[in-house]
Amino acid sequence: EAGVTQFPSHSVIEKGQTVTLRCDPISGHDNLYWYRRVMGKEIKFLLHFVKESKQDESGMPNNRFLAERTGGTYSTLKVQPAELEDSGVYFCASSPFPGQGMGISYNEQFFGPGTRLTVL
Amino acid sequence: GDSVTQMEGPVTLSEEAFLTINCTYTATGYPSLFWYVQYPGEGLQLLLKATKADDKGSNKGFEATYRKETTSFHLEKGSVQVSDSAVYFCALSGRGSYIPTFGRGTSLIVHP
Repeated sequence: EAGVTQFPSHSVIEKGQTVTLRCDPISGHDNLYWYRRVMGKEIKFLLHFVKESKQDESGMPNNRFLAERTGGTYSTLKVQPAELEDSGVYFCASSPFPGQGMGISYNEQFFGPGTRLTVL
Repeated sequence: GDSVTQMEGPVTLSEEAFLTINCTYTATGYPSLFWYVQYPGEGLQLLLKATKADDKGSNKGFEATYRKETTSFHLEKGSVQVSDSAVYFCALSGRGSYIPTFGRGTSLIVHP
């Protein structure tokens, strides 16, 4: 079974440009998550989709970030316009279990390899 | 809020050496604790977990014990291999939460 895939693996852009990151979750996983790790720091949660709906987007840093998951399959994360502080590794994860409110305290998430974004 | 502190790296060891990566946490209540590993070019993988005090998680020769009294979850392995070279993340998940809180990660380099 294919794991979570992310594209591109690396992206180098100029400040002010737009970049779109893509995540393909494991087939059949309703839950999809985006995280970011700024170099040397913690991995931080950005948002969570259940199918095509945004369940929790409390971690999105500002309105320059737009995430979509049309059709409930793959997801994209667009940064427009990119700033220097957006540099980091963006991870995507998916899981098959129900999300919040279903009485499950933890569900295992399967992570992709990440996209390394460098904004110059 | 919840937080995880783990030792800074890189940790550099020779093959067959003993490994300890320290992890302490701050959380309300009784969280579940995890170690994730990221091998070069791959995604994070769940290495082991413990869901209550005094539980010991173990996998691939790695162990960690949930110590409530010291709020710690140190990762240990008796004899590391070159293939263990990776970045290790300590994490916690509070009750009712499906989003882990991660530490900063510790890079492990094992030389032959």
